[in-house]
Amino acid sequence: KQEVTQIPAALSVPEGENLVLNCSFTDSAIYNLQWFRQDPGKGLTSLLLIQSSQREQTSGRLNASLDKSSGRSTLYIAASQPGDSATYLCAVNDYKLSFGAGTTVTVRA
Amino acid sequence: EAGVAQSPRYKIIEKRQSVAFWCNPISGHATLYWYQQILGQGPKLLIQFQNNGVVDDSQLPKDRFSAERLKGVDSTLKIQPAKLEDSAVYLCASSLESGGEETQYFGPGTRLLVL
Repeated sequence: KQEVTQIPAALSVPEGENLVLNCSFTDSAIYNLQWFRQDPGKGLTSLLLIQSSQREQTSGRLNASLDKSSGRSTLYIAASQPGDSATYLCAVNDYKLSFGAGTTVTVRA
Repeated sequence: EAGVAQSPRYKIIEKRQSVAFWCNPISGHATLYWYQQILGQGPKLLIQFQNNGVVDDSQLPKDRFSAERLKGVDSTLKIQPAKLEDSAVYLCASSLESGGEETQYFGPGTRLLVL
């Protein structure tokens, strides 16, 4: 059974600082890994999807890396803004999505 | 393109009552998913439909939960009778097809509180 862990559970940084969010998973036989954003009371918004054959994926200030052999992914958010405050979820797809519990980020103005 | 629609957005019931949630997926999406997200946890898959057939319901508590997807479009998820531990957000998602490469699109969720 796939187990997905996200560390830390919560993070508070001043505006402008770079964010580093970690995700680890136990079974490396995956199709892809996805990072989602969840705002309070809202559904999930997909941020980045990394296929198993890729090492990283970038979108604007967001960059996600994937090391399948070690079962790790990292989401980097450059120059954080208060609008980046949300919960970030990592999900591993080995035919079905297995989610971590998320990292709740607060960016202080 | 319209997203995944869910209703109601919020529901408060007492334990042992019944409740039903509705989901309308993105037009043309063959696969529909229901997830349960308990506070502080990631979403957990309850059931997956491909058109109107069940692909995976291994984590659905079948003694109290049921789901259907008539005509392969809309879906309803029912809880009868509800327990306190059913308090959670119920998320519906859809994708074009089933399979590992498909991106799932999520609705806003229904927040259920059981008192």
